[in-house]
Amino acid sequence: AQRVTQPEKLLSVFKGAPVELKCNYSYSGSPELFWYVQYSRQRLQLLLRHISRESIKGFTADLNKGETSFHLKKPFAQEEDSAMYYCALRPGGGADGLTFGKGTHLIIQP
Amino acid sequence: NAGVTQTPKFRVLKTGQSMTLLCAQDMNHEYMYWYRQDPGMGLRLIHYSVGEGTTAKGEVPDGYNVSRLKKQNFLLGLESAAPSQTSVYFCASSFSLGTGEFDTQYFGPGTRLTVL
Repeated sequence: AQRVTQPEKLLSVFKGAPVELKCNYSYSGSPELFWYVQYSRQRLQLLLRHISRESIKGFTADLNKGETSFHLKKPFAQEEDSAMYYCALRPGGGADGLTFGKGTHLIIQP
Repeated sequence: NAGVTQTPKFRVLKTGQSMTLLCAQDMNHEYMYWYRQDPGMGLRLIHYSVGEGTTAKGEVPDGYNVSRLKKQNFLLGLESAAPSQTSVYFCASSFSLGTGEFDTQYFGPGTRLTVL
């Protein structure tokens, strides 16, 4: 069975500092990886997916198959980035549900 | 478009009571999902459906039943609620891009359920 690990429950950085939220996964095939964000009192929404290779709100994430990682990065954190971030995996790009990590609570201090 | 909506937003049950959570989507999506979110656990898949009239078990299906009688609705039932089912329940929907690929999942606002 697949697994997603987010080692940091809480990450606190100062505004303007770089941010890296770690995500490691285990899956025997070729998964699809996502980052979802949940702002306070809002629903879960997609931030990034690895196949699109986009930069959303200044965030990027690169799939490293050798290290089985999909870390989320932003060079300069902003206060509005404070939220819960979830890394998720979908096996083989099918209609199966997502497997989520436990989430990282990112706090950006002024 | 309302997107994915969930009814009710909050509910308190006593142990042994039953209830049904309703998820509705107006995006004509084929695939629908129910997750539960517990503190420190992330989201875990309960059941899902790949089309009207079909359902499948996810990671944590015990104690829940589901039905997808209409494409736009996905119901999650608790026949005999237990305190361990206290959680926030999220519904999601998705669709096929028609090239063997699938779009991301779109989530509802959640239902906060407390079982006493």
